[in-house]
Amino acid sequence: KQEVTQIPAALSVPEGENLVLNCSFTDSAIYNLQWFRQDPGKGLTSLLLIQSSQREQTSGRLNASLDKSSGRSTLYIAASQPGDSATYLCAVFNAGGTSYGKLTFGQGTILTVHP
Amino acid sequence: DTAVSQTPKYLVTQMGNDKSIKCEQNLGHDTMYWYKQDSKKFLKIMFSYNNKELIINETVPNRFSPKSPDKAHLNLHINSLELGDSAVYFCASSPDSQGYGYTFGSGTRLTVV
Repeated sequence: KQEVTQIPAALSVPEGENLVLNCSFTDSAIYNLQWFRQDPGKGLTSLLLIQSSQREQTSGRLNASLDKSSGRSTLYIAASQPGDSATYLCAVFNAGGTSYGKLTFGQGTILTVHP
Repeated sequence: DTAVSQTPKYLVTQMGNDKSIKCEQNLGHDTMYWYKQDSKKFLKIMFSYNNKELIINETVPNRFSPKSPDKAHLNLHINSLELGDSAVYFCASSPDSQGYGYTFGSGTRLTVV
């Protein structure tokens, strides 16, 4: 059974800092790994998707890396801004073999960037 | 235009009642999902439908019954509500069942009193 863990559970930083969010998963037979952002009272927004054959993906100030063999991913946020404050969720998609695959989420990291 | 819309946004009801949450997507996606986010913020999949066919049915009490009248709609009916059912329920859709392109609704906060 796939389990996804995110560290830290919460992070508070001053504006402008570079920061790293960590994600680990127990079953390395993943199809892809995804990072989402969740704002209070809203749904999830997809940030980055890394295929199992890839090592990293970048979008603007966000960079996500994947080390499939060790079961780890990091989300790097450069030059953080107050607007980055949200909960960041890591999720892995496992192919289902003879059944359909599914997305398993971590519990999230609550990020607060203060001015 | 909201891509994945859920109604209602908030639902407060008494134990023992029966309630439904509706979800509609206008993205033309083939696959739809219901996720439950508990008080510890874990998002767990409950059900998934692909082109109106149930493809994922996690260990969920049979008081929960999904219904997909067409591939743009996936509703969730809950019988005999219990206190432990209080959570935020998210609907989502994706182009197919291959694990990419997820779009989530804004959630329905269910409170059972």
